[in-house]
Amino acid sequence: LAKTTQPISMDSYEGQEVNITCSHNNIATNDYITWYQQFPSQGPRFIIQGYKTKVTNEVASLFIPADRKSSTLSLPRVSLSDTAVYYCLVAITSGTYKYIFGTGTRLKVLA
Amino acid sequence: GAVVSQHPSRVICKSGTSVKIECRSLDFQATTMFWYRQFPKKSLMLMATSNEGSKATYEQGVEKDKFLINHASLTLSTLTVTSAHPEDSSFYICSASGRRNEQFFGPGTRLTVL
Repeated sequence: LAKTTQPISMDSYEGQEVNITCSHNNIATNDYITWYQQFPSQGPRFIIQGYKTKVTNEVASLFIPADRKSSTLSLPRVSLSDTAVYYCLVAITSGTYKYIFGTGTRLKVLA
Repeated sequence: GAVVSQHPSRVICKSGTSVKIECRSLDFQATTMFWYRQFPKKSLMLMATSNEGSKATYEQGVEKDKFLINHASLTLSTLTVTSAHPEDSSFYICSASGRRNEQFFGPGTRLTVL
């Protein structure tokens, strides 16, 4: 069974850089990797999307190695409001083609 | 980003009744919408993929006769939970797919079946 795995939880202090990695061995060759942020009882909110190498926007960076079997979300200087669950979303090919969410990483930012 | 709405945001119903959840893409046309279910402290699990004008594709283990999906227009998909039971209580989230296959998510619907 294809799995898309992430660390269960991480703690960080305000102002620090946080890196969250997602492993996705069965990723489809022709689709993007997307990361989302989710607060309790809300839908996931788009953070960043990439296909390969490095992508940066105003809130995060996404690093994708050449084999694309993993990806790392980098939040440059976290604040208390970044406390949330972070998910990667990838398309996998494991019998069928479908989108799979990662297991999720619960980030807690401490003052 | 694109805006996706869901209605209702919260519903409580009696066991055996049916509940309809609407998902709308407000500012773009979505040929594909997805329905997810999320249990407490768990990741989102894909239930079905809904394509406008055709039958939905259900994931393994999801009963198509219990979770009826209709995608009648490019901006609206509905999920009907038929004969709901307490084990169907969950957080249901829809998404609409954009041009680069990015998914824009609705705010979710909390279903509680008594």
